[in-house]
Amino acid sequence: QKEVEQNSGPLSVPEGAIASLNCTYSDRGSQSFFWYRQYSGKSPELIMSIYSNGDKEDGRFTAQLNKASQYVSLLIRDSQPSDSATYLCAVSRKLTGNQFYFGTGTSLTVIP
Amino acid sequence: DVKVTQSSRYLVKRTGEKVFLECVQDMDHENMFWYRQDPGLGLRLIYFSYDVKMKEKGDIPEGYSVSREKKERFSLILESASTNQTSMYLCASSFQGMETQYFGPGTRLLVL
Repeated sequence: QKEVEQNSGPLSVPEGAIASLNCTYSDRGSQSFFWYRQYSGKSPELIMSIYSNGDKEDGRFTAQLNKASQYVSLLIRDSQPSDSATYLCAVSRKLTGNQFYFGTGTSLTVIP
Repeated sequence: DVKVTQSSRYLVKRTGEKVFLECVQDMDHENMFWYRQDPGLGLRLIYFSYDVKMKEKGDIPEGYSVSREKKERFSLILESASTNQTSMYLCASSFQGMETQYFGPGTRLLVL
């Protein structure tokens, strides 16, 4: 079983719609959760982090965490073509040096 | 702004060659990481370091070694390059106790 699982997509949404990206993780001891965005040919950049159950909002982005279900999601409201990218979910188990486990990413396309 | 730089964007090497990939960060981060990214497999941790001269194996250390002689510099060494080491290599860094990782632009390595 993979540490972090994501649906690879591709996920297509029309411009202005809500895009919903999902991620599950296997280790119940995981404590920190991150969403990175990666444009084609570029390196990942952090867009959201979440540490406790519930929702965390930042502009058009909302991260949701449910530790009981081992599930973390990212909602993108009012999706824009510039949101088209691969979204990586990352999970930390708080080992020495802050070791992360990444999912394989979900490819999102926002259609104008 | 955090800046993580990598020595090359693209590299072509022959099987059996010794390959050095360098990463430099300018934010005085304690932690540094080397990942490789492959389609369908996502980001996988090769090695990380949480202090000068310290190193820890990640999930796929075989065929690689690392060196951290100075805080700002973390080198990945392929002792004898093989074709299955053709990949995108990403370096990242973070502060100790803070889990946000910042990525360099990546090095796309082709081993012929």
